[in-house]
Amino acid sequence: QVQLQESGPGLVKPSQTLSLTCTVSGASIISGTYYWSWMRQPAGKPLEWLGRLYTTENTNYNPSFESRVTISMDTSKNQFSLKLSFVTAADTAVYYCARERYTVFDSRRWHYFDSWGQGTLVTVSS
Amino acid sequence: DIQMTQSPSSLSASVGDRVTISCRASQTISRYLNWYQWKPGKPPNLLIYAAATLRTGVPSRFSGSGSGTDFTLTISSLQPEDFATYFCQQSYSSYTFGQGTKLEIK
Repeated sequence: QVQLQESGPGLVKPSQTLSLTCTVSGASIISGTYYWSWMRQPAGKPLEWLGRLYTTENTNYNPSFESRVTISMDTSKNQFSLKLSFVTAADTAVYYCARERYTVFDSRRWHYFDSWGQGTLVTVSS
Repeated sequence: DIQMTQSPSSLSASVGDRVTISCRASQTISRYLNWYQWKPGKPPNLLIYAAATLRTGVPSRFSGSGSGTDFTLTISSLQPEDFATYFCQQSYSSYTFGQGTKLEIK
């Protein structure tokens, strides 16, 4: 059974870069079958999708964050990471990593998130 | 961005009740709609994908319907373990989420 666990600093200063890592167990992040995503949830707001990684070279980002977000993977550690630059207080949120997969029927791909980490709170404050 | 709006935001019900939660998209998303259950201290759990396909292992009392802009999650007979927050997510264009519906015990 796949498990995902977020880790990283819980406090980041404004204008700095937020860096988080997701450690995956029970599945290989280079299997090519899955996508690996980051989401976040600010207090009182819906979840926001930040972006995803598929193999080492393929990434997709939410246009709202594209200028500030980078997602990468470390295959030797079976981990993938999030970097969000130039953070402000508005970036304070619980951050989640998740596995995305798809099922094919009716000649279409149906994407969904089938495994999530527990989440980690990151506060942006001086 | 496609906005997802759920109603109600919270709901009180009793064990055995039939419950319906709605999710509306700001533009048509065909059937690219997923439902999740979220309990405190645990990660979200996928219930339904493609608007109406039950994930393997999810009890059959859960069902989903809808297409286009209006979708519904139905729990046919509430069980004690069903009290949780439910949220929808569209996968038609990028990904966006509903704000969640908290289902509480009456």
